[in-house]
Amino acid sequence: QVQLMQSGAEVKKPGASVKVSCKASGYTFTSHGISWVRQAPGQGLEWMGYISPYTGYTYAQKFQGRVTMTTDTSTNTAYMELRSLRYDDTAIYYCARDFSAFDPWGQGTLVTVSS
Amino acid sequence: QSALTQPASVSGSPGQSITISCTGTSSDVGIYNLVSWYQQHPGKAPKLIIYEGSQRPSGVSNRFSGSKSGNTASLTISGLQTEDEADYYCCSYASSATSVVFGGGTKLTV
Repeated sequence: QVQLMQSGAEVKKPGASVKVSCKASGYTFTSHGISWVRQAPGQGLEWMGYISPYTGYTYAQKFQGRVTMTTDTSTNTAYMELRSLRYDDTAIYYCARDFSAFDPWGQGTLVTVSS
Repeated sequence: QSALTQPASVSGSPGQSITISCTGTSSDVGIYNLVSWYQQHPGKAPKLIIYEGSQRPSGVSNRFSGSKSGNTASLTISGLQTEDEADYYCCSYASSATSVVFGGGTKLTV
């Protein structure tokens, strides 16, 4: 079945960077892009951006200059790197296959920003 | 402040029907037939239940239905069951600089 498996939880200091991975299986990786969505504790969902192996990327304006999304087609893995981390970047980060809707979702990666 | 407006909470009794609204603008919900809905249980990842406004993915109960009128999309859940108790989010593509927008979420209590 289609699955997205994300890397484990991270704890980072303010100003640091974090890179989260999302490994896809069960479908042709290059046929769909991947979107990244985050959810702060007790809050709603926030779209961060989209990456496709062939059509490129689109980032939400809020994250432009601080986020980089990439893919590795040899391992069917997508990556999201967020730089200059702030306390309010503490959230669960999800990847999701994007085909005009998000399905399925990865299990989520908790990123905690703490000094 | 979320780009799409949803009620913070709705409630219903088992067997009843409820509707959750999702109000956007002519730059998102009103212009695209690309509204999707997600169900999220506590501690779990969101799950797609409606896409392209009214389409149900394989395996999703036909008790879930979606519709749209103007700038407002709606999710209706009929024959409420206790396992429907969850948070529900709407989502739309947008023509603004932020290409995708979510609603703030609605907590359904059954």
